[in-house]
Amino acid sequence: NAGVTQTPKFQVLKTGQSMTLQCAQDMNHNSMYWYRQDPGMGLRLIYYSASEGTTDKGEVPNGYNVSRLNKREFSLRLESAAPSQTSVYFCASILGGVGTDTQYFGPGTRLTVL
Amino acid sequence: QKEVEQNSGPLSVPEGAIASLNCTYSDRGSQSFFWYRQYSGKSPELIMSIYSNGDKEDGRFTAQLNKASQYVSLLIRDSQPSDSATYLCAVSGSGAGSYQLTFGKGTKLSVIP
Repeated sequence: NAGVTQTPKFQVLKTGQSMTLQCAQDMNHNSMYWYRQDPGMGLRLIYYSASEGTTDKGEVPNGYNVSRLNKREFSLRLESAAPSQTSVYFCASILGGVGTDTQYFGPGTRLTVL
Repeated sequence: QKEVEQNSGPLSVPEGAIASLNCTYSDRGSQSFFWYRQYSGKSPELIMSIYSNGDKEDGRFTAQLNKASQYVSLLIRDSQPSDSATYLCAVSGSGAGSYQLTFGKGTKLSVIP
């Protein structure tokens, strides 16, 4: 049981390049999330998927797109990377809503945009 | 915009002392409250959740909630050097936002041996 996995662990991009961050969970969770964490800023929600087939914007969605490929997988795409997107990205999942369940986090992807 | 406020610290306490971490939130409709611990370079992990007013104890950790004052706290008794980490307060949204957590910026705790 791997929990929440993310690939890649590290990535360096040049401004304007595109890439997709992958996230998968094997806990049969319904809801999945993408956060970014910047120094001194805490975790900020980019997008989330409350259930398979649905996605919604979070606090900082600009410059990102997401795909809930199936119940297990939730990807985050940067179409044209900018230096402001340099951050650590965390994927998380939860069985139902955040009200009563534990949210499990992946190990993170450290992205640098030059 | 929902807000969750924490003192950024660093908070330094001697080994064996009680560490007190505080958090205030703006959304009066929030129902669920969480404390996460995050070691440097690692992902957050849940240490406490609390849903009703009062205290909730789990080992050396006690979470306290006062919805009228919109205040959540975490007490760590008999602090150990291994407790040195950043502690994140997280609050659920209300209504349609119940699938979202808003995080504070975190309080960095250092336990001095």
